Amino acid sequence: EPEVTQTPSHQVTQMGQEVILRCVPISNHLYFYWYRQILGQKVEFLVSFYNNEISEKSEIFDDQFSVERPDGSNFTLKIRSTKLEDSAMYFCASSGYGSYEQYFGPGTRLTVT
Amino acid sequence: AQSVTQPDIHITVSEGASLELRCNYSYGATPYLFWYVQSPGQGLQLLLKYFSGDTLVQGIKGFEAEFKRSQSSFNLRKPSVHWSDAAEYFCAVGASGTSYDKVIFGPGTSLSVIP
Repeated sequence: EPEVTQTPSHQVTQMGQEVILRCVPISNHLYFYWYRQILGQKVEFLVSFYNNEISEKSEIFDDQFSVERPDGSNFTLKIRSTKLEDSAMYFCASSGYGSYEQYFGPGTRLTVT
Repeated sequence: AQSVTQPDIHITVSEGASLELRCNYSYGATPYLFWYVQSPGQGLQLLLKYFSGDTLVQGIKGFEAEFKRSQSSFNLRKPSVHWSDAAEYFCAVGASGTSYDKVIFGPGTSLSVIP
């Protein structure tokens, strides 16, 4: 069964460093998303992406964040200058045309020290 | 704005007992509703979903949920809980009813199972 994959599973970085979280969505999907979950809290929407542009972003998704689909398979989330409060689990998701179901990846745990 | 509430932060049940996790949503039209489960340190697994039709939906692992429009609820049930069901459970709603919009999650209910 096709699945969304994410790398790395765990990333440790120092405050102020740039990080790139990578996702490979399901191959025929058209809509892509990033969510985050701070430890012990609920899952929050960050951004949605379609047709090579951002469809919607939340107030969390400020200028420090960017997304890109650099090729036909990868979908990345970049944080330019990480803060301690960026420590969280980041989930990538994708959905197909006309589908109401988003498929989530296993997540990348980001730890900012 | 759409929202999801899960009134129970934490529930403890004995193995073999029945389970009901509550979920209420706020949404003007027919919602798209989901239940996800998250084991410690793991990702989100879809248990079941409701888009339309029969208001009682069956999911994986023996779970079911019932959509009640009059109560704006989508409660999750299981007749007999297993120790492996201990996890965090999230109710979620599709934000706008379009197929590509974001999903809004509730705060989650943590389930503990006593052997």
